[in-house]
Amino acid sequence: GEDVEQSLFLSVREGDSSVINCTYTDSSSTYLYWYKQEPGAGLQLLTYIFSNMDMKQDQRLTVLLNKKDKHLSLRIADTQTGDSAIYFCASKAAGNKLTFGGGTRVLVKP
Amino acid sequence: EAGVVQSPRYKIIEKKQPVAFWCNPISGHNTLYWYRQNLGQGPELLIRYENEEAVDDSQLPKDRFSAERLKGVDSTLKIQPAELGDSAVYLCASSLAGGTETQYFGPGTRLLVL
Repeated sequence: GEDVEQSLFLSVREGDSSVINCTYTDSSSTYLYWYKQEPGAGLQLLTYIFSNMDMKQDQRLTVLLNKKDKHLSLRIADTQTGDSAIYFCASKAAGNKLTFGGGTRVLVKP
Repeated sequence: EAGVVQSPRYKIIEKKQPVAFWCNPISGHNTLYWYRQNLGQGPELLIRYENEEAVDDSQLPKDRFSAERLKGVDSTLKIQPAELGDSAVYLCASSLAGGTETQYFGPGTRLLVL
């Protein structure tokens, strides 16, 4: 079945850019998503990209998709302490099924 | 507009006891999902409903888990009897058919089985 992989941890200084990476295996993925989860909370949708796009920008967030390499990244510009959270990428394939990565914990240091 | 509502937010029970979780999706969303999120992992789909019909329950442990979505709106997920390994966060999500079908998540129910 589909497999989605993420690095476990990222530490970044406040004001710097963060880049979170994700790889997936299903070449038939139609949409790829980024969700944010703060402690004790559910998943908050950040952004998504359609599989025929290679870039999407939304305020401080930039999503890059390399469909050939099945690689997705999320760049957060001017990272703030409120950006500290766990970030999940997810791939949507047939049947509207989402497969999630294990999450990347981002720690923003002042 | 209200988001996905779940209750209770937290539940502590002893093993072998029954437990139930409730979800109210975003108004107008016809597709409803139940996920389980184990500690340190991403969510995994348990069951998906389109209106009242369970269209994907392949990952639902049917010996002890059951779910229903009467009238195609609210849904209940039940575990009977609960085991220690069921301790997890149970997330409900909903989406609107057509278009991107983006899934929106509720805050989850955190279950601890002692």
